[in-house]
Amino acid sequence: DAGVIQSPRHEVTEMGQEVTLRCKPISGHNSLFWYRQTMMRGLELLIYFNNNVPIDDSGMPEDRFSAKMPNASFSTLKIQPSEPRDSAVYFCASSYHPRGDSNQPQHFGDGTRLSIL
Amino acid sequence: SQQGEEDPQALSIQEGENATMNCSYKTSINNLQWYRQNSGRGLVHLILIRSNEREKHSGRLRVTLDTSKKSSSLLITASRAADTASYFCATASGNTPLVFGKGTRLSVIA
Repeated sequence: DAGVIQSPRHEVTEMGQEVTLRCKPISGHNSLFWYRQTMMRGLELLIYFNNNVPIDDSGMPEDRFSAKMPNASFSTLKIQPSEPRDSAVYFCASSYHPRGDSNQPQHFGDGTRLSIL
Repeated sequence: SQQGEEDPQALSIQEGENATMNCSYKTSINNLQWYRQNSGRGLVHLILIRSNEREKHSGRLRVTLDTSKKSSSLLITASRAADTASYFCATASGNTPLVFGKGTRLSVIA
């Protein structure tokens, strides 16, 4: 079975440009999570969705960040305008929560390594 | 807020030795999970232990949970070079998403 698929795997762009990261969760999973990983701050939860609805976006660092999940098989994380401090590895993860809780194991994609020059 | 904290931050052992990593947390949990992350890859779920369980095994992995001390340990027996990775604990509380620690970097030297 295909796992969580993220694209692109690497992105290098100049400061001020718009960046769009994409994620295809595992089919049948009803929760989707976006994380950012840096050496300094570790793995940070940015936002998560249940049944395509954003539940908690308190981890989104600024208004420059936005995320959407238009359907059960696709999500985007957008940064506009991008800044050098946004450089990090961004992960998408999905899981299946039959009772609507968020405690189940998560399946991660291999991430997008983002570098903002 | 950070829930799980792994200890040590880094660990280097010889192939064939056992590796033990610890995780401490602050509040009550529903379950605790361990993940592995190889360089350049995403996290991979290894094992889940529920709050009413004390020990769980999966292959060469052994996980213990002590809810009175709010701590867990992950033991990898007979380590191999392929076990070289970062290992994270993640705690599940209430209806909130998992909270991950900063991980232990394990190096297994052949």
